[in-house]
Amino acid sequence: SYELTQPPSVSVSPGQTARITCSGDALPQKYAYWYQQKSGQAPVLVMYEDSKRPSGISERFSGSSSGTMATLTISGAQIEDEADYYCYSIDSTANHRVFGGGTKLTVL
Amino acid sequence: QVQLVQSGAEVKKPGASVRVSCKASGYTFTGHFLHWIRQAPGEGLEWMGGINPRSGATEYAPKFQGRVTMTRDTSISTAYMELNSLVSGDTAIYYCAKDADPLGYCSGGSCYIYFDPWGQGTQVTVSS
Repeated sequence: SYELTQPPSVSVSPGQTARITCSGDALPQKYAYWYQQKSGQAPVLVMYEDSKRPSGISERFSGSSSGTMATLTISGAQIEDEADYYCYSIDSTANHRVFGGGTKLTVL
Repeated sequence: QVQLVQSGAEVKKPGASVRVSCKASGYTFTGHFLHWIRQAPGEGLEWMGGINPRSGATEYAPKFQGRVTMTRDTSISTAYMELNSLVSGDTAIYYCAKDADPLGYCSGGSCYIYFDPWGQGTQVTVSS
């Protein structure tokens, strides 16, 4: 079955740049999407189609994808960006929807 | 604004069934696919399937095929997810989520691709 692989955790100091990666064999053909989930809350879309930012999402968030890896970048990370981040995509054969295992971002 | 409001927490015994509802407002209910996603305690997100509210056609993840039924009532803009033969491993928060694109939109050979926004979630606990 198709898998998306993320690092379990990323830690940065406030104001630093956080980069969260997601690797998957179908990412050269399929877009990556990113969801932010704060503690006790439902996930929120923060990036779609690799690099498009939904309205209302801070310009600190940007996305990119190259080959089999997609990256969510948070420039000048703030305390309020602490959350779990999930990448998401679809495999290129059976259209199975798949989430990565999630990355816990700590800003301290 | 778009809102998805889900039914309240449920506690069920193993072997029972659970039905979770999701009432939509702020958009045309029959204009967007409606997904269901779950999250077990301390775990990641798992797509279960979804429904085309206009036609009633469903698409289920292979893992849940035969055990899940998704339906809708267009008169009250509400979708339902019923999961049968519950086991402790079904203990999770169940989310509904609106597809971000309108019905009929496909990209790169895939349709009903991603979710925005999500409902608040419904806790389902399976315990004897």
